[in-house]
Amino acid sequence: GAGVSQSPSNKVTEKGKDVELRCDPISGHTALYWYRQSLGQGLEFLIYFQGNSAPDKSGLPSDRFSAERTGGSVSTLTIQRTQQEDSAVYLCASSFIDREQFFGPGTRLTVL
Amino acid sequence: GDSVTQMEGPVTLSEEAFLTINCTYTATGYPSLFWYVQYPGEGLQLLLKATKADDKGSNKGFEATYRKETTSFHLEKGSVQVSDSAVYFCALRSSNYQLIWGAGTKLIIKP
Repeated sequence: GAGVSQSPSNKVTEKGKDVELRCDPISGHTALYWYRQSLGQGLEFLIYFQGNSAPDKSGLPSDRFSAERTGGSVSTLTIQRTQQEDSAVYLCASSFIDREQFFGPGTRLTVL
Repeated sequence: GDSVTQMEGPVTLSEEAFLTINCTYTATGYPSLFWYVQYPGEGLQLLLKATKADDKGSNKGFEATYRKETTSFHLEKGSVQVSDSAVYFCALRSSNYQLIWGAGTKLIIKP
């Protein structure tokens, strides 16, 4: 079956612009996660959605970051007023609750 | 808070050598433990997992045993191949379901 998909695969933007990153999870998975992979910080948790519960936003690094999940499926991660330190690979994962997470290929974000 | 420590790389071995990548963790309770692999140019893939003490996860010739007494989950393979060259990540699943990651270990296998 189809895995987790993310778009775009690459995004180059100018400092100060807003960006939106999209994640399509595996059909039927109730949990969706966003992580960030950067050279300096390794892999970091950003946000977690589970069903209709309020998301766990404890990993978001600043209020410029936000995410939503519509209809319990597709998720969008939005970064406002991008900074150079936001440059990273943004990874989305999905799972059934309490089961292993399956990762998408990531979106490589470069902020010039 | 929860944390994962894994040996720094890169680790360079010859083909058919024995591999060990050390991983230790700090956590409350007994979290599920995972090894993920990232091949060059590809996304993260689950390699193996263990959900309770003394469980042994295995896949593609790799093994790791959940050791509660030493809070470890070391990755081993008896005979590595060039195709095993990749970055390996140890991770634990915390009580709020997020994965806490080690820094990753780059493995280079020379023919």
